[in-house]
Amino acid sequence: EVQLVESGGGLVRPGGSLRLSCAASGFTFSTYDMYWVRQVTGKGLEWVSGIGTSGATYYPGSVKGRFTISRENAENSLYLQMNSLRADDTAVYYCTRAPTTVPSRYFDLWGRGTLVTVSS
Amino acid sequence: DIQMTQSPSSLSASVGDRVVITCQASQDINTHLNWYQQKPGKAPNLLIYDISILQRGVPSRFSGSASGTDFTLTISSLQPEDIATYYCQQYDNIPYTFGQGTKLEIK
Repeated sequence: EVQLVESGGGLVRPGGSLRLSCAASGFTFSTYDMYWVRQVTGKGLEWVSGIGTSGATYYPGSVKGRFTISRENAENSLYLQMNSLRADDTAVYYCTRAPTTVPSRYFDLWGRGTLVTVSS
Repeated sequence: DIQMTQSPSSLSASVGDRVVITCQASQDINTHLNWYQQKPGKAPNLLIYDISILQRGVPSRFSGSASGTDFTLTISSLQPEDIATYYCQQYDNIPYTFGQGTKLEIK
């Protein structure tokens, strides 16, 4: 089955760290760009990181310097290392992919998400 | 960053109605505009990419169009299973940005 499964969410104190994982299956992981998108409960979607097939990484200003995206193609896995966490990082974090065989960039497969709560 | 402004933020319509959701980009994004549907408690699901190309499996009652920096998602005949929140998203520039969402309800 083609799927993405996130794990690693939980409760962490402000200033703390957390590492999210995303296990991919059913497709050739190494040929897709991979991304993390988050959503505060009841709010909209925010793109928080991306990594290309070459390993190039991209971040918005809100997380740059605090979050690090990485991938391990041999393990079909995507990671998000989150440091210096703040209360406004509290959200459901989704793993998603974008095909690279076309010029377009769209998120055509999403995981179910993992909840990160930053609170003292 | 490119701002994506959706309207309306919420919408109530009857089964069978034609529904139109709009999204305005703060600058030219070419054809780099996608639409997603998110049902309550679920992950987003890709509906349309590059303004008007339907993702496989998406019903033909969904369509997309554009005029300059204004983009439109149309549901030609609303069905009960279309109840969801809809988001536009641009990928012309990093950071990729989403609209704030349009919550669609049945009247």
